[in-house]
Amino acid sequence: LAKTTQPISMDSYEGQEVNITCSHNNIATNDYITWYQQFPSQGPRFIIQGYKTKVTNEVASLFIPADRKSSTLSLPRVSLSDTAVYYCLVDRNTPLVFGKGTRLSVIA
Amino acid sequence: EADIYQTPRYLVIGTGKKITLECSQTMGHDKMYWYQQDPGMELHLIHYSYGVNSTEKGDLSSESTVSRIRTEHFPLTLESARPSHTSQYLCASSVQVSGELFFGEGSRLTVL
Repeated sequence: LAKTTQPISMDSYEGQEVNITCSHNNIATNDYITWYQQFPSQGPRFIIQGYKTKVTNEVASLFIPADRKSSTLSLPRVSLSDTAVYYCLVDRNTPLVFGKGTRLSVIA
Repeated sequence: EADIYQTPRYLVIGTGKKITLECSQTMGHDKMYWYQQDPGMELHLIHYSYGVNSTEKGDLSSESTVSRIRTEHFPLTLESARPSHTSQYLCASSVQVSGELFFGEGSRLTVL
């Protein structure tokens, strides 16, 4: 089982950049790192996936250092609508296992 | 928008009733999953399927059963519902085992 550890909760003001770090010390060579976002009463939604270095899309950036034992999800200039739970997962070609995630609260 | 649909969205039933939660997807995905999630808690994988006539139990032991007779349909059944089954049930599908999962909006079950 690919275990991940991330903060239980974070608070941020609107307009700030938010960085959520996840540790995955037992990541294997062929594993990818994937992040999902979940709003209350909805299913999770895929945000971004990466293998190493940096990946950017229209929603977020994902930074993965060379040793790949951690990753950081970066959300630029958050708004109130970014309040959600963010899950970091190690994707190793088996059904995805979701941890507790990080509950991000954006404050006006 | 993901084309995966769950019905009913909300269900309140009495103990001992048999229920089936429906999940359908129109994306042609072979892989389908059921997760269970209590309010404010993590998701737990309870069943998955890699294709027609393939079903496997997930990490969390569940008294529910599933079937996969058609690619697009992955229903979950509880033969005799109990209050401990009260939860949200989320269905998902994907092209591959890994990669992006597409989730439905969930079925919130309350057993009295």
